[in-house]
Amino acid sequence: DTAVSQTPKYLVTQMGNDKSIKCEQNLGHDTMYWYKQDSKKFLKIMFSYNNKELIINETVPNRFSPKSPDKAHLNLHINSLELGDSAVYFCASSQEGTNTGELFFGEGSRLTVL
Amino acid sequence: AQKITQTQPGMFVQEKEAVTLDCTYDTSDPSYGLFWYKQPSSGEMIFLIYQGSYDQQNATEGRYSLNFQKARKSANLVISASQLGDSAMYFCAMREGIYSGGYQKVTFGTGTKLQVIP
Repeated sequence: DTAVSQTPKYLVTQMGNDKSIKCEQNLGHDTMYWYKQDSKKFLKIMFSYNNKELIINETVPNRFSPKSPDKAHLNLHINSLELGDSAVYFCASSQEGTNTGELFFGEGSRLTVL
Repeated sequence: AQKITQTQPGMFVQEKEAVTLDCTYDTSDPSYGLFWYKQPSSGEMIFLIYQGSYDQQNATEGRYSLNFQKARKSANLVISASQLGDSAMYFCAMREGIYSGGYQKVTFGTGTKLQVIP
């Protein structure tokens, strides 16, 4: 069973479209994240939710809207896609209060905007 | 200012040799955790090793060890007996305020691309 799973793995779309990426974790963790990895492999946090509550919201255009229906799911909706949104988007989860609190990552969703 | 600095964009190492990947960090928080992740060409992020700021001993996990020098704010990853499968991007990361409560993001460095030569 995959611990953190994202769908879709690949997404190719036109500029101006709206798309969503879904994430689910079965680790029982209480915190989930979205990270963006650009073409230079730089990983930058976008959002974090703890028990469905938004706790980290970095400087991200408001075209990006996360939604957490429950603590096991965190989805990312992107409106009016732009060329610069092309990247790999990683979902991750962690358990606050544990000894290490390391992030468990999904396999990533590669978004290509044409 | 960069919280995590990895100054080696790329490195080569001969198979079976040891290699050190550098990482320095910047924080004024006394409680923090340092992580290393591996990202092979297939793209997934694999957790390798963790060091807490209050840990007295350097962390080790199999062939991976973390050379933690707190005063110098460095947390270098040492890979012993390199294997071809070690060729990947390696990211150093930090979580601050791990014992002070609240929620702190994990910040990543820019990564080092390691290539193991047969």
